[in-house]
Amino acid sequence: GAGVSQSPRYKVAKRGQDVALRCDPISGHVSLFWYQQALGQGPEFLTYFQNEAQLDKSGLPSDRFFAERPEGSVSTLKIQRTQQEDSAVYLCASSKDMYNEQFFGPGTRLTVL
Amino acid sequence: AQKITQTQPGMFVQEKEAVTLDCTYDTSDQSYGLFWYKQPSSGEMIFLIYQGSYDEQNATEGRYSLNFQKARKSANLVISASQLGDSALYFCAMRTILFGNEKLTFGTGTRLTIIP
Repeated sequence: GAGVSQSPRYKVAKRGQDVALRCDPISGHVSLFWYQQALGQGPEFLTYFQNEAQLDKSGLPSDRFFAERPEGSVSTLKIQRTQQEDSAVYLCASSKDMYNEQFFGPGTRLTVL
Repeated sequence: AQKITQTQPGMFVQEKEAVTLDCTYDTSDQSYGLFWYKQPSSGEMIFLIYQGSYDEQNATEGRYSLNFQKARKSANLVISASQLGDSALYFCAMRTILFGNEKLTFGTGTRLTIIP
């Protein structure tokens, strides 16, 4: 497909489990972003890559959150020892460059029980 | 730091009427971009329109236009001739136009409901 894809679309985890969320950006898009959206709120920035370089991770809420983009394409957001407050929709977005809009994927809805 | 304020949590509008969604922003940056996104109940974020801080004309995209008033730091979205399919959550967002600082800052959103 031509858009940003994310998998899984839904994830239920028991508290304390580790989860991995995947993002496939639009082909050729240099920038990749992760956002967290709590219910009824706007998305909040987590982290951002230019190709494989993680340029900003200031939004990651704790050291349990880790993101990578080793080959400058697919990215994985990993959450270790999940907590109930991690329950949210995790959105991935990509853009061609800093002058263009970000295109969002459908999101992964994470529920931590 | 950047901040986006959307003061209308929800709006109800009759079909075919025009609607204005309010957005004010705060930034100390000179070069920035303003965006509007639509989020239907299905959850995906759909890009609607973009305005650069140095653009002299207001942006337009089909039925969408952005009423940009730089001195007032406002970037209101105007939807003309509203349709039932416009019912969704609408977010205003901004970012600095600066390499290495491309993250979007979002407002809290306005839920628009179009009434037949």
